[in-house]
Amino acid sequence: QVQLQESGPRLVKPSETLSLTCTVSGGSISSYYCSWIRQSPGKAPEWIGYIFYSGIPYYNPSLKSRLTISVDTSKNQFSLKLNSVTTADAAVYYCTVTSGAAAIDHWGRGALVAVSS
Amino acid sequence: EIVLTQSPGTLSLSPGKSATLSCRASQSVGTTYLAWYQQKPGQAPRLLIYGASIRAAATPDRFTGGGSGTDFTLTISRLEPEDFAVYYCQHYDNSPRMYTFGQGTKLEI
Repeated sequence: QVQLQESGPRLVKPSETLSLTCTVSGGSISSYYCSWIRQSPGKAPEWIGYIFYSGIPYYNPSLKSRLTISVDTSKNQFSLKLNSVTTADAAVYYCTVTSGAAAIDHWGRGALVAVSS
Repeated sequence: EIVLTQSPGTLSLSPGKSATLSCRASQSVGTTYLAWYQQKPGQAPRLLIYGASIRAAATPDRFTGGGSGTDFTLTISRLEPEDFAVYYCQHYDNSPRMYTFGQGTKLEI
């Protein structure tokens, strides 16, 4: 059974960098497309980006200029960095993995990140 | 970029009834890349249907996905109390690579 756990600061100051790490257990990260998805209260999920174990990331065009997603296969982890955050970036951030790219079948519990000074 | 529009926004029904949720794409999409999720308060979305009509593991057979082209549906028959939740459709695009979600349909008692 694949399990995912998000970790990282839950409070970020405006203009600073949001950083989260996802630790995958119960499966090798090399088998998966690893995505970050966020969801603001009462809104639909928003895909942030994904990376395959090869290390090539694909980003949501609306966030691309501020975004870095990376993978560490030795630790079975992948990470998200979002620069220059504003209050609009406050959301629940989910890490997800899927073996087939088309649909997302494993989700973390989510990390609620607030943006405030 | 493909836009997914779900209707209705809210659907009020009673247990035992059937529900039909709609997802319309702004342009024709392949059925391979259309999925449905269920989300309950405080939980992550859960994959119900992928490939437009294939039930994910643990999805009861009361849930049926269908459609093609631009129009897709999720039908839930014999509604159970645990089915009342928000449902999202989602499309995966290969070029450019990205996932898009509909705005959701809230199924309430």
